[in-house]
Amino acid sequence: KQEVTQIPAALSVPEGENLVLNCSFTDSAIYNLQWFRQDPGKGLTSLLLIQSSQREQTSGRLNASLDKSSGRSTLYIAASQPGDSATYLCAVPSLRGGGADGLTFGKGTHLIIQP
Amino acid sequence: DGGITQSPKYLFRKEGQNVTLSCEQNLNHDAMYWYRQDPGQGLRLIYYSQIVNDFQKGDIAEGYSVSREKKESFPLTVTSAQKNPTAFYLCASSISAVSSYNEQFFGPGTRLTVL
Repeated sequence: KQEVTQIPAALSVPEGENLVLNCSFTDSAIYNLQWFRQDPGKGLTSLLLIQSSQREQTSGRLNASLDKSSGRSTLYIAASQPGDSATYLCAVPSLRGGGADGLTFGKGTHLIIQP
Repeated sequence: DGGITQSPKYLFRKEGQNVTLSCEQNLNHDAMYWYRQDPGQGLRLIYYSQIVNDFQKGDIAEGYSVSREKKESFPLTVTSAQKNPTAFYLCASSISAVSSYNEQFFGPGTRLTVL
């Protein structure tokens, strides 16, 4: 059964710093990995989807990397801003019945950017 | 605007009542999903549907039921058999449930509270 772990569980940094969020998964036979952002009381916003054939994916100040063989992904946030404060979740396909069945999520990293 | 809508935003249920949560999407996606989110836990898959008139149980389907009569709609019923239904419920959709294409997009969520 696929399991996803995110480290750290919480992070508080001053505005302007670059930071890295970590995600690991137990079964490397994944098709892709998705990073989400969740604001308090809201739904999830998809940030980046990395296909298994890719090593990196970039969107603005966000860069996600994927190392399938080691079961790890990182989300790099450059020049952090107070508006980046949120919970960041990573997720991979659950791999039940060929993989077509939803996502397995980590518990998230709660990020606070201090002004 | 294309997207996923969930209603109501807040829902209160008395003990022994069944309640139905609505999820509608106008993205022309084949696959739809229901997740449950509890404090301190990752999202957990309740049910998913790859196509109209077909749906499959996820990890925590007991006490829940769904239907998929239309491509756009995937309502979730929380029955009286669900022992601890207080949670935040999130609906999602993707173009296909096949893992290579299953970037998921989420609705704003429904918060269910049992009185």
